[in-house]
Amino acid sequence: GNSVTQMEGPVTLSEEAFLTINCTYTATGYPSLFWYVQYPGEGLQLLLKATKADDKGSNKGFEATYRKETTSFHLEKGSVQVSDSAVYFCALSDGGSARQLTFGSGTQLTVLP
Amino acid sequence: GAGVSQSPSNKVTEKGKDVELRCDPISGHTALYWYRQSLGQGLEFLIYFQGNSAPDKSGLPSDRFSAERTGGSVSTLTIQRTQQEDSAVYLCASSLVLRQGGWNTEAFFGQGTRLTVV
Repeated sequence: GNSVTQMEGPVTLSEEAFLTINCTYTATGYPSLFWYVQYPGEGLQLLLKATKADDKGSNKGFEATYRKETTSFHLEKGSVQVSDSAVYFCALSDGGSARQLTFGSGTQLTVLP
Repeated sequence: GAGVSQSPSNKVTEKGKDVELRCDPISGHTALYWYRQSLGQGLEFLIYFQGNSAPDKSGLPSDRFSAERTGGSVSTLTIQRTQQEDSAVYLCASSLVLRQGGWNTEAFFGQGTRLTVV
Protein backbone atom coordinates (compact mmCIF):
# COMPACT_ATOMS: atom_id res chain seq x y z
CA GLY A 1 0.00 0.00 0.00
CA ASN A 2 0.88 3.65 -0.15
CA SER A 3 2.71 5.35 2.65
CA VAL A 4 4.39 8.62 3.42
CA THR A 5 7.17 8.94 5.95
CA GLN A 6 7.83 12.40 7.21
CA MET A 7 10.52 13.89 9.36
CA GLU A 8 9.54 13.82 13.01
CA GLY A 9 9.03 17.11 14.71
CA PRO A 10 8.83 19.45 16.30
CA VAL A 11 11.33 21.65 14.51
CA THR A 12 12.36 24.96 16.02
CA LEU A 13 14.38 27.47 13.99
CA SER A 14 15.43 31.06 14.27
CA GLU A 15 14.15 33.56 11.78
CA GLU A 16 16.11 33.54 8.48
CA ALA A 17 17.39 30.02 9.07
CA PHE A 18 17.34 27.37 6.33
CA LEU A 19 14.55 24.82 6.53
CA THR A 20 14.44 21.22 5.34
CA ILE A 21 11.62 18.85 6.16
CA ASN A 22 12.26 15.37 4.80
CA CYS A 23 9.56 13.31 3.14
CA THR A 24 9.85 9.90 1.49
CA TYR A 25 7.11 7.80 0.03
CA THR A 26 6.10 4.34 -1.09
CA ALA A 27 3.53 4.03 -3.85
CA THR A 28 2.49 1.99 -6.82
CA GLY A 29 2.28 3.70 -10.16
CA TYR A 30 3.20 7.32 -10.64
CA PRO A 31 1.93 9.40 -7.74
CA SER A 32 1.48 13.10 -7.48
CA LEU A 33 3.13 14.63 -4.44
CA PHE A 34 1.93 17.47 -2.26
CA TRP A 35 2.87 19.59 0.69
CA TYR A 36 -0.01 20.92 2.77
CA VAL A 37 0.30 23.49 5.54
CA GLN A 38 -1.92 24.03 8.55
CA TYR A 39 -1.51 27.39 10.24
CA PRO A 40 -2.66 27.70 13.85
CA GLY A 41 -6.44 27.69 14.06
CA GLU A 42 -6.90 27.19 10.33
CA GLY A 43 -7.67 24.36 7.94
CA LEU A 44 -5.25 22.57 5.67
CA GLN A 45 -4.05 24.51 2.68
CA LEU A 46 -2.18 23.26 -0.33
CA LEU A 47 1.32 24.73 -0.29
CA LEU A 48 2.81 23.18 -3.41
CA LYS A 49 2.65 20.11 -5.58
CA ALA A 50 4.51 18.13 -8.24
CA THR A 51 2.89 15.70 -10.60
CA LYS A 52 5.80 13.91 -12.22
CA ALA A 53 9.42 13.01 -11.67
CA ASP A 54 11.90 15.91 -11.57
CA ASP A 55 9.11 18.48 -11.28
CA LYS A 56 9.76 21.23 -8.76
CA GLY A 57 6.83 22.68 -6.87
CA SER A 58 7.26 26.12 -5.39
CA ASN A 59 5.20 28.65 -3.49
CA LYS A 60 5.82 31.39 -0.91
CA GLY A 61 9.56 30.71 -1.03
CA PHE A 62 9.12 27.01 -0.35
CA GLU A 63 10.35 24.42 -2.83
CA ALA A 64 10.21 20.66 -3.20
CA THR A 65 11.53 18.48 -6.02
CA TYR A 66 9.96 15.17 -6.97
CA ARG A 67 12.83 12.65 -6.87
CA LYS A 68 11.71 9.30 -8.24
CA GLU A 69 15.11 7.66 -7.81
CA THR A 70 15.10 8.35 -4.07
CA THR A 71 11.29 8.39 -3.68
CA SER A 72 11.56 11.71 -1.91
CA PHE A 73 9.88 15.12 -1.86
CA HIS A 74 11.77 17.15 0.69
CA LEU A 75 10.46 20.62 1.56
CA GLU A 76 12.98 23.46 1.67
CA LYS A 77 13.00 27.17 2.30
CA GLY A 78 16.09 29.33 2.30
CA SER A 79 15.04 31.84 4.94
CA VAL A 80 12.11 31.12 7.23
CA GLN A 81 9.91 33.74 8.86
CA VAL A 82 7.94 33.71 12.08
CA SER A 83 4.79 33.58 9.96
CA ASP A 84 5.90 30.18 8.59
CA SER A 85 5.20 28.60 11.96
CA ALA A 86 2.69 25.85 11.21
CA VAL A 87 2.28 22.12 10.77
CA TYR A 88 3.45 20.79 7.42
CA PHE A 89 2.08 17.61 5.88
CA CYS A 90 3.55 15.68 3.01
CA ALA A 91 1.02 13.72 0.96
CA LEU A 92 0.67 11.63 -2.15
CA SER A 93 -2.04 10.64 -4.53
CA ASP A 94 -1.41 7.68 -6.78
CA GLY A 95 -4.35 8.22 -9.10
CA GLY A 96 -5.19 4.57 -8.82
CA SER A 97 -8.11 2.80 -7.28
CA ALA A 98 -7.44 4.23 -3.83
CA ARG A 99 -8.20 7.75 -5.04
CA GLN A 100 -7.35 9.32 -1.79
CA LEU A 101 -4.56 11.34 -0.37
CA THR A 102 -2.13 9.51 1.87
CA PHE A 103 -0.65 11.87 4.43
CA GLY A 104 2.46 11.83 6.49
CA SER A 105 2.14 12.43 10.21
CA GLY A 106 2.94 16.13 9.98
CA THR A 107 5.87 18.22 11.18
CA GLN A 108 5.36 21.10 13.58
CA LEU A 109 7.58 24.05 12.70
CA THR A 110 8.13 26.91 15.10
CA VAL A 111 10.15 29.92 13.96
CA LEU A 112 11.47 32.19 16.69
CA PRO A 113 12.14 35.90 16.14
CA GLY B 1 -19.46 28.11 -2.85
CA ALA B 2 -16.05 29.67 -2.67
CA GLY B 3 -14.58 26.95 -0.50
CA VAL B 4 -15.38 23.80 1.41
CA SER B 5 -17.71 24.61 4.26
CA GLN B 6 -18.10 22.48 7.36
CA SER B 7 -20.55 22.78 10.20
CA PRO B 8 -20.58 23.03 13.08
CA SER B 9 -17.08 24.34 13.64
CA ASN B 10 -17.14 23.03 17.19
CA LYS B 11 -19.27 20.36 18.80
CA VAL B 12 -19.26 19.20 22.39
CA THR B 13 -21.37 16.14 23.06
CA GLU B 14 -21.96 13.71 25.87
CA LYS B 15 -20.67 10.18 25.62
CA GLY B 16 -23.30 7.93 24.08
CA LYS B 17 -25.03 10.63 22.05
CA ASP B 18 -25.20 10.67 18.27
CA VAL B 19 -23.67 13.51 16.25
CA GLU B 20 -23.93 14.66 12.66
CA LEU B 21 -21.20 16.59 10.91
CA ARG B 22 -21.91 18.38 7.69
CA CYS B 23 -19.72 19.14 4.69
CA ASP B 24 -20.61 21.38 1.78
CA PRO B 25 -17.99 20.90 -0.95
CA ILE B 26 -16.88 23.28 -3.64
CA SER B 27 -19.51 23.49 -6.35
CA GLY B 28 -18.74 21.08 -9.18
CA HIS B 29 -16.33 18.90 -7.22
CA THR B 30 -17.42 15.31 -7.64
CA ALA B 31 -14.98 13.77 -5.18
CA LEU B 32 -15.44 14.25 -1.45
CA TYR B 33 -13.34 12.92 1.39
CA TRP B 34 -13.60 12.72 5.15
CA TYR B 35 -10.50 12.61 7.30
CA ARG B 36 -9.93 12.61 11.03
CA GLN B 37 -7.12 14.40 12.78
CA SER B 38 -6.56 13.33 16.33
CA LEU B 39 -4.48 15.40 18.72
CA GLY B 40 -0.79 15.08 17.92
CA GLN B 41 -1.40 12.71 15.03
CA GLY B 42 -1.61 12.92 11.28
CA LEU B 43 -4.64 12.71 9.11
CA GLU B 44 -6.55 9.46 9.08
CA PHE B 45 -8.61 8.70 5.97
CA LEU B 46 -12.21 7.76 6.74
CA ILE B 47 -14.24 7.60 3.54
CA TYR B 48 -14.30 8.77 -0.04
CA PHE B 49 -17.29 9.64 -2.24
CA GLN B 50 -17.37 9.77 -6.00
CA GLY B 51 -20.69 11.43 -6.70
CA ASN B 52 -23.16 9.88 -4.26
CA SER B 53 -21.46 6.53 -4.01
CA ALA B 54 -18.71 5.56 -1.61
CA PRO B 55 -16.31 3.16 -3.33
CA ASP B 56 -13.93 3.27 -0.43
CA LYS B 57 -15.18 3.02 3.14
CA SER B 58 -12.06 1.29 4.36
CA GLY B 59 -11.14 3.95 6.86
CA LEU B 60 -14.30 4.03 8.92
CA PRO B 61 -13.13 2.97 12.39
CA SER B 62 -16.26 1.11 13.44
CA ASP B 63 -19.87 0.49 12.54
CA ARG B 64 -20.80 3.48 14.68
CA PHE B 65 -19.52 5.64 11.85
CA SER B 66 -21.49 6.19 8.66
CA ALA B 67 -21.61 8.79 5.94
CA GLU B 68 -23.86 9.71 3.11
CA ARG B 69 -23.86 12.14 0.27
CA THR B 70 -26.91 13.34 -1.56
CA GLY B 71 -27.30 15.13 -4.86
CA GLY B 72 -23.59 14.82 -5.46
CA SER B 73 -23.08 17.70 -3.08
CA VAL B 74 -23.56 17.90 0.69
CA SER B 75 -22.24 15.06 2.81
CA THR B 76 -23.06 14.10 6.37
CA LEU B 77 -20.82 12.07 8.64
CA THR B 78 -22.75 10.47 11.49
CA ILE B 79 -21.21 9.04 14.62
CA GLN B 80 -23.56 7.00 16.77
CA ARG B 81 -23.12 6.37 20.48
CA THR B 82 -20.06 8.61 20.63
CA GLN B 83 -17.08 7.58 22.71
CA GLN B 84 -14.31 9.73 24.14
CA GLU B 85 -11.83 8.32 21.63
CA ASP B 86 -13.96 9.86 18.88
CA SER B 87 -12.78 13.30 20.00
CA ALA B 88 -10.85 14.77 17.08
CA VAL B 89 -11.01 17.31 14.30
CA TYR B 90 -13.02 15.95 11.39
CA LEU B 91 -11.91 17.36 8.07
CA CYS B 92 -13.75 17.29 4.78
CA ALA B 93 -12.13 17.85 1.41
CA SER B 94 -13.32 17.97 -2.16
CA SER B 95 -11.66 17.78 -5.53
CA LEU B 96 -12.28 17.44 -9.22
CA VAL B 97 -11.91 14.05 -10.82
CA LEU B 98 -10.24 14.74 -14.11
CA ARG B 99 -10.56 11.37 -15.76
CA GLN B 100 -11.56 7.84 -14.98
CA GLY B 101 -8.77 5.84 -13.44
CA GLY B 102 -6.47 8.68 -12.73
CA TRP B 103 -6.43 12.10 -11.25
CA ASN B 104 -3.65 14.26 -10.05
CA THR B 105 -5.48 17.27 -8.77
CA GLU B 106 -5.31 18.65 -5.29
CA ALA B 107 -7.99 18.43 -2.66
CA PHE B 108 -9.38 21.54 -1.00
CA PHE B 109 -10.04 21.25 2.70
CA GLY B 110 -12.60 22.77 4.97
CA GLN B 111 -11.63 24.18 8.34
CA GLY B 112 -12.92 21.13 10.11
CA THR B 113 -15.30 20.32 12.92
CA ARG B 114 -13.70 19.94 16.31
CA LEU B 115 -15.61 17.23 18.14
CA THR B 116 -15.21 16.84 21.87
CA VAL B 117 -16.90 13.93 23.62
CA VAL B 118 -17.23 14.43 27.36
